[in-house]
Amino acid sequence: EDQVTQSPEALRLQEGESSSLNCSYTVSGLRGLFWYRQDPGKGPEFLFTLYSAGEEKEKERLKATLTKKESFLHITAPKPEDSATYLCAVRMGNYGQNFVFGPGTRLSVLP
Amino acid sequence: EAGVTQSPTHLIKTRGQQATLRCSPISGHTSVYWYQQALGLGLQFLLWYDEGEERNRGNFPPRFSGRQFPNYSSELNVNALELEDSALYLCASSRARTEAFFGQGTRLTVV
Repeated sequence: EDQVTQSPEALRLQEGESSSLNCSYTVSGLRGLFWYRQDPGKGPEFLFTLYSAGEEKEKERLKATLTKKESFLHITAPKPEDSATYLCAVRMGNYGQNFVFGPGTRLSVLP
Repeated sequence: EAGVTQSPTHLIKTRGQQATLRCSPISGHTSVYWYQQALGLGLQFLLWYDEGEERNRGNFPPRFSGRQFPNYSSELNVNALELEDSALYLCASSRARTEAFFGQGTRLTVV
């Protein structure tokens, strides 16, 4: 069964304390993996797209990597404004018709 | 460039009524996705429209329906509203099978 999981469910960091979030998937026919950030009551904000194993994307304090079965979102020296829920999504299926989100990781960065 | 716009922002309906939610995609995007996000929960896939056709449907009852217009805007209809339909309804648009961009959502409250 196609599945997208994320860990940890919640993470509390001190400002400046780097860490990584995990997104694992068991899907057939991956057509792309996407990272989003969501603030409470708002729509998700697009961060990165990864298509193939070994690919990396970077933006400010965030870096996303992809292997054959999982992706990591590395957060370097986070700030309180990085606090949000981070979602990964996988597009799969013969023509990319399934666009499935993981449950998310709630990140809190304390000053 | 204008982002994905959704209307209304908030909607309050009585149980048994019908609700209509609207979405205007980013210019040039032909795909529209609808998701339901109940309070504190993850994104549940509802519907995917592409080039005016319904391409995929999530595990929701038939009273959730929609359509995509020739200008690629979309409408989500929820008939016979139930209390558990109260949620944030999110619309996203994409070009082909690439990353999707979200609107700010419609908060539907059923009383």
